[in-house]
Amino acid sequence: ETGVTQSPTHLIKTRGQQVTLRCSSQSGHNTVSWYQQALGQGPQFIFQYYREEENGRGNFPPRFSGLQFPNYSSELNVNALELDDSALYLCASSSMGRGEQYFGPGTRLTVT
Amino acid sequence: QQPVQSPQAVILREGEDAVINCSSSKALYSVHWYRQKHGEAPVFLMILLKGGEQKGHEKISASFNEKKQQSSLYLTASQLSYSGTYFCGTGANFGNEKLTFGTGTRLTIIP
Repeated sequence: ETGVTQSPTHLIKTRGQQVTLRCSSQSGHNTVSWYQQALGQGPQFIFQYYREEENGRGNFPPRFSGLQFPNYSSELNVNALELDDSALYLCASSSMGRGEQYFGPGTRLTVT
Repeated sequence: QQPVQSPQAVILREGEDAVINCSSSKALYSVHWYRQKHGEAPVFLMILLKGGEQKGHEKISASFNEKKQQSSLYLTASQLSYSGTYFCGTGANFGNEKLTFGTGTRLTIIP
């Protein structure tokens, strides 16, 4: 069974730029959730994708957007990067109706 | 609103027991527990559902008081590998939980 993978591992961007983060869900899972984790804090829910549609969104502005593909992998896009966007971005995959979510290793984004 | 965890931090000797609490101001359907080591992703430990169903780790147990909107995680005979930050995540609906994570409890196990 293949676990959740994310790419890239680390990324450094300049304020105002755009970034795309990628996540491959665990085999057999059809739902992907994205979380932002600032240093010393718990993860914060950004949004969730199920069957290629957004299935709920947290308190994040529209410049945070996403996609899910037919193979259930997903992308998180952030436009007009701000310094406060610096964080660990985690994706978690799950099976709709099962409950438990499994996290990938994360992408550490630094905005300068 | 973010669930509140207590204690914020605890230091134990190997073999001792620990209890970590998670309290929410909202009605809950599920409570999820994760352990995160420094620089790593959160690792799923356990999920507790309204109605009493539990799924998770063999050596870790937990309780869920639906009326009080509280959950507790019990770590018995702690091992060095139990060190890390423990987070509870709460969900309002089954199956498509958008988890709201707690403030975290840092657990350090010393030999």
